[in-house]
Amino acid sequence: GAVVSQHPSRVICKSGTSVKIECRSLDFQATTMFWYRQFPKQSLMLMATSNEGSKATYEQGVEKDKFLINHASLTLSTLTVTSAHPEDSSFYICSARDPGQGYSEAFFGQGTRLTVV
Amino acid sequence: GENVEQHPSTLSVQEGDSAVIKCTYSDSASNYFPWYKQELGKGPQLIIDIRSNVGEKKDQRIAVTLNKTAKHFSLHITETQPEDSAVYFCAAGAGGSQGNLIFGKGTKLSVKP
Repeated sequence: GAVVSQHPSRVICKSGTSVKIECRSLDFQATTMFWYRQFPKQSLMLMATSNEGSKATYEQGVEKDKFLINHASLTLSTLTVTSAHPEDSSFYICSARDPGQGYSEAFFGQGTRLTVV
Repeated sequence: GENVEQHPSTLSVQEGDSAVIKCTYSDSASNYFPWYKQELGKGPQLIIDIRSNVGEKKDQRIAVTLNKTAKHFSLHITETQPEDSAVYFCAAGAGGSQGNLIFGKGTKLSVKP
């Protein structure tokens, strides 16, 4: 099946610094990618929809200036957590739907465990 | 917008028994219903999906049923094995590469040997 690769899988950063997370679709082109945040023992919360060549669409309550999204190509979207604080520590997961498969199955990256100290 | 309810939140079964997880959705426009398995520290993996023009789909020990009239769909795992232990999420949404999926809150399945 289609593969979505996310990097890094784990990152520890100091409070106040910025962290960039990459999401790549390896064998299909994705005009749209989705970024989720997941707290322990909870479901996936959609943060934003990343659109290739245009601005991302953010969900209510998600600060666009804090979570910068760039979708510069059809295979790469990046999420940058700016001026990170301990409360930003979480599991971040990206997803993309393969337009070449039927109803466009959604595939997920491996996730990035962010710890802000 | 779409709302997905998932039950139960936790499920414990004995190895070899069957496990059933149920979801309901609210938006009749949804036509795509995937199920994901998530192991600790990993991203969700698609295990099976069903489209609105189909009532049932089976893949070895896993099956999914859909009742469009009642707006509910279920995951059935037969002959459970310890490696089936994980968190399972249902989702609902529209077909197409640009549509978002709405997820249930997840079911933690534990299969006891």
